[in-house]
Amino acid sequence: GEDVEQSLFLSVREGDSSVINCTYTDSSSTYLYWYKQEPGAGLQLLTYIFSNMDMKQDQRLTVLLNKKDKHLSLRIADTQTGDSAIYFCAETSNRGSTLGRLYFGRGTQLTVWP
Amino acid sequence: DTAVSQTPKYLVTQMGNDKSIKCEQNLGHDTMYWYKQDSKKFLKIMFSYNNKELIINETVPNRFSPKSPDKAHLNLHINSLELGDSAVYFCASSQGQGMNTEAFFGQGTRLTVV
Repeated sequence: GEDVEQSLFLSVREGDSSVINCTYTDSSSTYLYWYKQEPGAGLQLLTYIFSNMDMKQDQRLTVLLNKKDKHLSLRIADTQTGDSAIYFCAETSNRGSTLGRLYFGRGTQLTVWP
Repeated sequence: DTAVSQTPKYLVTQMGNDKSIKCEQNLGHDTMYWYKQDSKKFLKIMFSYNNKELIINETVPNRFSPKSPDKAHLNLHINSLELGDSAVYFCASSQGQGMNTEAFFGQGTRLTVV
């Protein structure tokens, strides 16, 4: 099965907050990431969190990590239409030969309605 | 200046053909990657090179052969293309393979095999 899971779709109204959720299975995950992919574009790293943290805030973005439940979330405050994109959760760990390898979820398509 | 650039951006070709995708990074990174994103947006690593040496080689058909002439370049050659090879291929780079390294992605190459 997949190591990282996300819901596929989220729709919000402009100005509202968006919360994108992610669960992972590897307890040795050390860094967890959120990437953004706009249509026809590559992936852009939004933020990341180290596994010994439970929260990280960066302007409109808040990342919450519940390591016990292996649950990661990304909250976007005051969501704008320009935030419409696919958001990927990813994790990396120190599992043997997988050093440096990112494991991605399937992405959550965020649609922001004006 | 584009940090990680891939060419071509779009590639349409017939089954059985051989094609190459090129990737260059001007970030001075020592590690480069190829990821495949399927039609359902699932991203999975294919290869990783560190200082021109292959370090990650996922279960990928041997029709796919990466080549790294120098640290700044990682090309992907695909022989005998099949319909199932249709996907978006992303190149990425990072400095080192540590878990806290940020991977920078190219814009992707959309390969369509007809």
